[in-house]
Amino acid sequence: GAVVSQHPSRVICKSGTSVKIECRSLDFQATTMFWYRQFPKQSLMLMATSNEGSKATYEQGVEKDKFLINHASLTLSTLTVTSAHPEDSSFYICSATGFVNTEAFFGQGTRLTVV
Amino acid sequence: AQRVTQPEKLLSVFKGAPVELKCNYSYSGSPELFWYVQYSRQRLQLLLRHISRESIKGFTADLNKGETSFHLKKPFAQEEDSAMYYCALRVDSSYKLIFGSGTRLLVRP
Repeated sequence: GAVVSQHPSRVICKSGTSVKIECRSLDFQATTMFWYRQFPKQSLMLMATSNEGSKATYEQGVEKDKFLINHASLTLSTLTVTSAHPEDSSFYICSATGFVNTEAFFGQGTRLTVV
Repeated sequence: AQRVTQPEKLLSVFKGAPVELKCNYSYSGSPELFWYVQYSRQRLQLLLRHISRESIKGFTADLNKGETSFHLKKPFAQEEDSAMYYCALRVDSSYKLIFGSGTRLLVRP
């Protein structure tokens, strides 16, 4: 199957700083990418949907100025957590679908810890 | 409202026992449902989808629109089946998915 890679796998940052998480489709062109957030022992909650070259569509309750999403190419989407706070600490997961759109492929996730 | 419910957080069975992981959904449109599995320290991966009507690793799931359910079943559980299982509902033409809370399956020797 297709591969989606996230970088970094884990990151620790200081409160008040911003951190960028990358999501790359390695062997296919990702027309749509999705960003999820997963709290410990909880399910994946969809944060936003991004289409290449368009503004992301955020789910209700997700602050778009807090979680900046950029999908500038067909192989890369980035999520920037701005002015991070400890409550932003979580596991962030991306998924991607391509032109054929038969399946969503998931990245390995990024564990963000804000101290 | 669009919702996926997995009532069991943990299901523990002995090797060789039958397994049924429950999933119920709420959706006004025509549902497309999936089961995803996450093995320890691995990424989420698709196990099966209802439209394929296939059996993967011995698992099957049938969509029951009357009961709005999509339960995952396996007649004889194996230790390697131990993992986190998520039921998911596709809600538009992209692969926007609504996930259930997940069920941890533990298969004991």
